[in-house]
Amino acid sequence: GQNIDQPTEMTATEGAIVQINCTYQTSGFNGLFWYQQHAGEAPTFLSYNVLDGLEEKGRFSSFLSRSKGYSYLLLKELQMKDSASYLCAVRADSNYQLIWGAGTKLIIKP
Amino acid sequence: EPEVTQTPSHQVTQMGQEVILRCVPISNHLYFYWYRQILGQKVEFLVSFYNNEISEKSEIFDDQFSVERPDGSNFTLKIRSTKLEDSAMYFCASSGATTEAFFGQGTRLTVV
Repeated sequence: GQNIDQPTEMTATEGAIVQINCTYQTSGFNGLFWYQQHAGEAPTFLSYNVLDGLEEKGRFSSFLSRSKGYSYLLLKELQMKDSASYLCAVRADSNYQLIWGAGTKLIIKP
Repeated sequence: EPEVTQTPSHQVTQMGQEVILRCVPISNHLYFYWYRQILGQKVEFLVSFYNNEISEKSEIFDDQFSVERPDGSNFTLKIRSTKLEDSAMYFCASSGATTEAFFGQGTRLTVV
């Protein structure tokens, strides 16, 4: 079957760095997405990886290892507004359906 | 900045009634999706739509559900006979051929 695993919840301190991991087992692979979702709001796109390596975008970076079925989202210089759920999603095949992880709730403490 | 818009933002309906959720995708996008998220649970794929037909659907998308693109801009999700367990946030999304999916702000459906 198709499966995406993320930690349920993480806590970090304002100004620190946090890494949110995602592992996946899917029938195919055509890209991995990270989305941010604040409570009661729609997911918003953060990053996309289709090749191995690190993609950096400001305070956020995302890493992919296809051979390991593994990705992480790295958030630097954490701000209180970064408190949200972070969703990992995989485009499994040549179609465009996204398979979603359950999300990691990130709590930022002062 | 172009965005996906959904109406209404909140819909309350009685069990057994039909509801239509409406979405206006980003104008030059080709792929359209409906997702739902039951409160406190993960986002679940319902259906994708391309070239005026369903390209893929999940097990959730049974005969009670249908989608339509009645004109060049709107994309609708119809639930024929709502059940209590259909209460959820329904998100519409659209994407280009190689872009990420952009989500609307969602319609909160409450079935009573």
